[in-house]
Amino acid sequence: EDQVTQSPEALRLQEGESSSLNCSYTVSGLRGLFWYRQDPGKGPEFLFTLYSAGEEKEKERLKATLTKKESFLHITAPKPEDSATYLCAVHPRGANNLFFGTGTRLTVIP
Amino acid sequence: NAGVTQTPKFQVLKTGQSMTLQCAQDMNHNSMYWYRQDPGMGLRLIYYSASEGTTDKGEVPNGYNVSRLNKREFSLRLESAAPSQTSVYFCASRGQQNQPQHFGDGTRLSIL
Repeated sequence: EDQVTQSPEALRLQEGESSSLNCSYTVSGLRGLFWYRQDPGKGPEFLFTLYSAGEEKEKERLKATLTKKESFLHITAPKPEDSATYLCAVHPRGANNLFFGTGTRLTVIP
Repeated sequence: NAGVTQTPKFQVLKTGQSMTLQCAQDMNHNSMYWYRQDPGMGLRLIYYSASEGTTDKGEVPNGYNVSRLNKREFSLRLESAAPSQTSVYFCASRGQQNQPQHFGDGTRLSIL
């Protein structure tokens, strides 16, 4: 059964304190793994797609990495505007849809 | 750039009432999706449409129906609303395979 688990559920960081969010997955063949950011009252906003183990993508203070069983979203020197819920989703082979984790709620304190 | 537009943004219904949630995209995407998001459960797929003229059930289709009206529009209907359908509903669209899904800002639905 396809499954996505994100940890931690919530994370509080001081501004400038780097950390990582984890997304563990079990799928019968991975077509792609997606990271989204969701602000309160808004829909998920696309950040990255990763397709194969060893791949990395970067955008400003965010860097996503992928292994065969998990993905990490590294946040370097975060700012308060990085506060949001970060969602991970997998696209299994043979499926037309995504399976989402429950997200990590990140709060960055000034 | 509008992207994916959902209407209404908020709605309160009484048990047993019916309602249609509207979704339109202006990105010429083939595939469209309806999700619900509940606390602690993440986004769950209700129905999707891989292309104009086709619809398929997702993980939680019971109590819902959909219509792919044309390439741009995909509606979700609750025929007889139940309190368990209180949720935030998101519509999404996608172009080619392996491209990301793009989401609207949701409809917040409460059923009393």
